[in-house]
Amino acid sequence: EVQLVESGGGLVQPGGSLRLSCVVSGFTFNNYVMLWVRQAPGKGLEWVSSIIASGETTYYTDSVKGRFTVSRDNSKNTLYLQMDSLRVEDTAQYYCANSDCGDWYCRRIVHWGQGTLVTVSS
Amino acid sequence: DIQMTQSPSTLSASVGDRVTITCRASQGVDKWLAWYQQKPLKAPKVLISEASNLENGVPSRFSGGGSGTEFTLTINSLQPDDFATYYCQQYDTYPLTFGQGTRLEIK
Repeated sequence: EVQLVESGGGLVQPGGSLRLSCVVSGFTFNNYVMLWVRQAPGKGLEWVSSIIASGETTYYTDSVKGRFTVSRDNSKNTLYLQMDSLRVEDTAQYYCANSDCGDWYCRRIVHWGQGTLVTVSS
Repeated sequence: DIQMTQSPSTLSASVGDRVTITCRASQGVDKWLAWYQQKPLKAPKVLISEASNLENGVPSRFSGGGSGTEFTLTINSLQPDDFATYYCQQYDTYPLTFGQGTRLEIK
């Protein structure tokens, strides 16, 4: 059974940092592109970032470029999202997800985790 | 960025009805379009990919169509479990973009 389990969310002040983790099981992690998608309270879905299987190439939505860093540890089956200079508008449920292949052209989402809540507030 | 526009934003229907949700892309995305169902406080669930391919385990009353810039999600014979919010998403190009969602509610 495929499982993606996020952790690391919480309450942080504007300007602060958090690191999210996503531990996966049930598939060969190092073969697949991984993604982060977020959803602000009561709002729609927003793609945040993707990283190819090797970790060599990453992609970001414009609003987080220079502030967020996606990475992965294939030896630990774990995806990360380092979030710095957090803003109130980053408040959201953050979901990790996986694609159906491992290279730069792999963008289809196949499975989702249950998410972790990040709240940015003073 | 490719903008995805869903209509309607809210849809009221009854059990047994047939409903259709439309998704329009601001530029062509070929067949690289997915549909998701989301229930309150739950993660989205993939229903359809490549515009018309039903995911494993998804009931056959769900169907998708279209290509390029216009896509549809049709649900035949609505069941109580189908009342949820539905999103389309293009995965042709980064940034990946979603429609704003269609809330399907019980009439």
